[in-house]
Amino acid sequence: GAVVSQHPSWVICKSGTSVKIECRSLDFQATTMFWYRQFPKQSLMLMATSNEGSKATYEQGVEKDKFLINHASLTLSTLTVTSAHPEDSSFYICSARDLGTGGRETQYFGPGTRLLVL
Amino acid sequence: GQNIDQPTEMTATEGAIVQINCTYQTSGFNGLFWYQQHAGEAPTFLSYNVLDGLEEKGRFSSFLSRSKGYSYLLLKELQMKDSASYLCAVHPNQGGKLIFGQGTELSVKP
Repeated sequence: GAVVSQHPSWVICKSGTSVKIECRSLDFQATTMFWYRQFPKQSLMLMATSNEGSKATYEQGVEKDKFLINHASLTLSTLTVTSAHPEDSSFYICSARDLGTGGRETQYFGPGTRLLVL
Repeated sequence: GQNIDQPTEMTATEGAIVQINCTYQTSGFNGLFWYQQHAGEAPTFLSYNVLDGLEEKGRFSSFLSRSKGYSYLLLKELQMKDSASYLCAVHPNQGGKLIFGQGTELSVKP
């Protein structure tokens, strides 16, 4: 199946710093990617929809100035957590939409990025 | 509103068959996904159904009935490594955003 990569896989940073996470679709073009956050033993929470060449669409309650999303190409979306604080520590996962052929689309998840803010 | 229901937990025996059900009520329907998520890892794609019927892929099969708002994931010849959370997700419109159920935690015992 298609592969989506994320980098870095884990990051530890000091409070107040900014962290950039990359999401890449490796063998297909993704005009749409999604960013999720997941806390331990909880379900995925959609943060925003990233559209290539346009502004991201944020879910209610997600601060767009804190979680900056850039989808500069058909294979890359980035999420920057600005001025990170300990409560931002979480598992961040992206997914990429593969429109496929014949109406059979699929969405593949990246392996996730664990963020720990000290 | 959007609502997706699946059992919270299930237990099954190694080598057996288990069926995980999912019912949904959404504003639209453009397909239903099943994902597997092991603890501490990201979800892995299992299946996508957009038309009614059964789709088989190895030990895993997925069924959809759009008129009933119902799907199930069937796992055969269970293995210990199948212990994981199974997520049902509906694609309600053309925008691609998925609505996820809470997930079913499957425990496979010897």
